[in-house]
Amino acid sequence: DVKVTQSSRYLVKRTGEKVFLECVQDMDHENMFWYRQDPGLGLRLIYFSYDVKMKEKGDIPEGYSVSREKKERFSLILESASTNQTSMYLCASSLGTSGSEHEQFFGPGTRLTVL
Amino acid sequence: SQKIEQNSEALNIQEGKTATLTCNYTNYSPAYLQWYRQDPGRGPVFLLLIRENEKEKRKERLKVTFDTTLKQSLFHITASQPADSATYLCAPPEAGNKLTFGGGTRVLVKP
Repeated sequence: DVKVTQSSRYLVKRTGEKVFLECVQDMDHENMFWYRQDPGLGLRLIYFSYDVKMKEKGDIPEGYSVSREKKERFSLILESASTNQTSMYLCASSLGTSGSEHEQFFGPGTRLTVL
Repeated sequence: SQKIEQNSEALNIQEGKTATLTCNYTNYSPAYLQWYRQDPGRGPVFLLLIRENEKEKRKERLKVTFDTTLKQSLFHITASQPADSATYLCAPPEAGNKLTFGGGTRVLVKP
């Protein structure tokens, strides 16, 4: 059964802290994505990766960075957390075949609160 | 990039009736469009994909249509049940295997 897991369901951090959100998929997918979801704004893409050590900025990359050292793991890093980064963070993965229509598989989400 | 419009107001519907949700896109016509279901506090789950050359796609009690002339997809839940209560998201593709997600429409099915 396809599975995407995220390291925490709930996380509370203080302003200025460095925050790591981890995502692991067991489907051997090439593509991995990080989104944030806020009421009224929907799902917004922060970063995505289509291969190990490859990354591309999404629509809202400011204040975030990512790391993909292994195919199954994609990490989102908040270098210096701020209160406006309080949100639900969702990781997803999909097959990477060129021209594919592959669905995205989502993790359960991490609700991050920055105080 | 694509702009997606879904009705942001919740759709309240009586059990057994058909719920119809609308997804409008405004820029280029996508080759396909995906629909997802999201329950509160959880990640979205893929439901259906419809291609531009398909007028209609069905899966159990779900039906999706795709009208490239109107730049619109309709999502129908027939014989709705309380368990269908959730938010439904439409998502056409962007370049590079990315998707653009609409804001979603919340459906509440009352017994």
